[in-house]
Amino acid sequence: DIQMTQSPSSLSASVGDRVTITCRASQSISSYLNWYQQKPGKAPKLLIYAASSLQSGVPSRFSGSGSGTDFTLTISSLQPEDFATYYCQQSYSKFFGGGTKVEIK
Amino acid sequence: QVQLVQSGAEVKKPGASVKVSCKASGYTFTSYGISWVRQAPGQGLEWMGWISAYNGNTNYAQKLQGRVTMTTDTSTSTAYMELRSLRSDDTAVYYCARECRSGAFDIWGQGTMVTVSS
Repeated sequence: DIQMTQSPSSLSASVGDRVTITCRASQSISSYLNWYQQKPGKAPKLLIYAASSLQSGVPSRFSGSGSGTDFTLTISSLQPEDFATYYCQQSYSKFFGGGTKVEIK
Repeated sequence: QVQLVQSGAEVKKPGASVKVSCKASGYTFTSYGISWVRQAPGQGLEWMGWISAYNGNTNYAQKLQGRVTMTTDTSTSTAYMELRSLRSDDTAVYYCARECRSGAFDIWGQGTMVTVSS
């Protein structure tokens, strides 16, 4: 099975900061990588699919990049509503990364 | 609007079974697959398996093979996930999610809390 490793597992940031989260696959997954946001007590929400495609309705401050084994989710200017946990997921075996919790500094 | 609505919370004893439903509306049910994902308290997301609403084909996570069964009822646009021989570490919120062509999960149910306790 293809394993997904996210880093960091948590980070503290301020409103307006640029935030970058990385996800590494144990083998190449081409561009079959998705990103989700989850807030406490809520279902995950799809942000980015196929590594870099923005899901409809998601603010443009979210962007994704990468291919092969290394991927990045970037929030260009962190907003108060962006404090949440973020997960990557590969579309082959559907496994998720361990998550990155974005907290207020 | 497009939505998935799940059944309510369950409390089960170890060794019992649970069956969670997921009713789809707002789209053609048989045009998409449904995946099930669970999340233990304070933990990350774990993919459990997938079912095609078109032909009923399934793909289960190896870890759950033999204990999980996923089915659909196209007449009611409902997907079901049954988990047997429940253990305390099956305590989790269980989500259904629609899988779109890219392989991403674009629509999620609200989640069903399953508690396994003696």
